[in-house]
Amino acid sequence: AQSVTQLDSQVPVFEEAPVELRCNYSSSVSVYLFWYVQYPNQGLQLLLKYLSGSTLVKGINGFEAEFNKSQTSFHLRKPSVHISDTAEYFCAVTRSGYSTLTFGKGTMLLVSP
Amino acid sequence: DGGITQSPKYLFRKEGQNVTLSCEQNLNHDAMYWYRQDPGQGLRLIYYSQIVNDFQKGDIAEGYSVSREKKESFPLTVTSAQKNPTAFYLCASSIRGQGADGYTFGSGTRLTVV
Repeated sequence: AQSVTQLDSQVPVFEEAPVELRCNYSSSVSVYLFWYVQYPNQGLQLLLKYLSGSTLVKGINGFEAEFNKSQTSFHLRKPSVHISDTAEYFCAVTRSGYSTLTFGKGTMLLVSP
Repeated sequence: DGGITQSPKYLFRKEGQNVTLSCEQNLNHDAMYWYRQDPGQGLRLIYYSQIVNDFQKGDIAEGYSVSREKKESFPLTVTSAQKNPTAFYLCASSIRGQGADGYTFGSGTRLTVV
């Protein structure tokens, strides 16, 4: 079985500050990892994904994430956030041969001026 | 533009009534999925389908039913057997039905049962 833990339910941050949203996964085999963003009352939009190769993955809107196999982590980072980044962020995991994603409970990023 | 359309966006029903949520995609994706979202609980898988006329239960299938008669359509029925149906429902699709492809999501249907 696979699971995802998002360690923070809310992360408040000031505009232009850096942010890190934490995600840890559990799986005994190789995994594929995703970060999605959800704006209020909307569906989820893919930010970035790790399938293989370079452990540093760059995504849309200036976000990036680093896959750390030894720490079983896939933390999302942005060096300088904007008010418009206020949204809920979901980490998800799957593995080869699986057709479904398992999602974490989400982290609400609250950016204030 | 290709995408996934969920309708309606908001739905109100009386307790004890069945209700069907629509999900249509024009992406020519093989697989479709239904997730339920509750505050603080993330997304939980209800049902998924990798090909027409076939579908599998997810983690919380009790009280729900689906059909996949056409590749582009995957309606979800919330039956009166679902104990707590009020939630935000998300439909998604993937190109080949492999998790590594990731999902494309619809904009969701918020169901309120009174």
